[in-house]
Amino acid sequence: SQQGEEDPQALSIQEGENATMNCSYKTSINNLQWYRQNSGRGLVHLILIRSNEREKHSGRLRVTLDTSKNSSSLLITASRAADTASYFCARSDSGYALNFGKGTSLLVTP
Amino acid sequence: EAGVAQSPRYKIIEKRQSVAFWCNPISGHATLYWYQQILGQGPKLLIQFQNNGVVDDSQLPKDRFSAERLKGVDSTLKIQPAKLEDSAVYLCASSRSADSSGNTIYFGEGSWLTVV
Repeated sequence: SQQGEEDPQALSIQEGENATMNCSYKTSINNLQWYRQNSGRGLVHLILIRSNEREKHSGRLRVTLDTSKNSSSLLITASRAADTASYFCARSDSGYALNFGKGTSLLVTP
Repeated sequence: EAGVAQSPRYKIIEKRQSVAFWCNPISGHATLYWYQQILGQGPKLLIQFQNNGVVDDSQLPKDRFSAERLKGVDSTLKIQPAKLEDSAVYLCASSRSADSSGNTIYFGEGSWLTVV
């Protein structure tokens, strides 16, 4: 199972702004998951998007999946300081454990 | 529902010493994972258990790392002898089944290892 590439590696925004981070793979994606990791903590599952879904919402999160481009994006709307964390995508293939990318480090300043 | 428990949270050892980390997964979760996360990087899978059998240990440095999951519940990850490059966070995680395609994986808080 191949590791994804997240872009950007780091993102700094102000509270209230939207944050967009992207994830891409060199081979086809089926299902994909996004996780958040606060500093010094474990990873927390945010959202799973399946290959037959193009967009999924959860609260202020919006995830899209473009299987033709082997890519996904995570949008956080109206960001808050508490959203400061690292965000990881992980492809989610049947028969394989999750394979994480290097993540996007998001800093939201008041 | 109790989460994934790990101990110790922090450990500092000298190189060539040994260390062991313990993990108690969420009750009823058949699959258990150990990930290594080096500072600034994403987690890397070391080993995956399904009940008490190994599913994938292809990235486990077997000359120094070992892991076991006796009775299909708790698990222990051991490093002996430790090297400086083993300094990392060791994350234990569990899920209901080994099929990650539709499964949520739950992570513990991690065990921070510093090798000096």
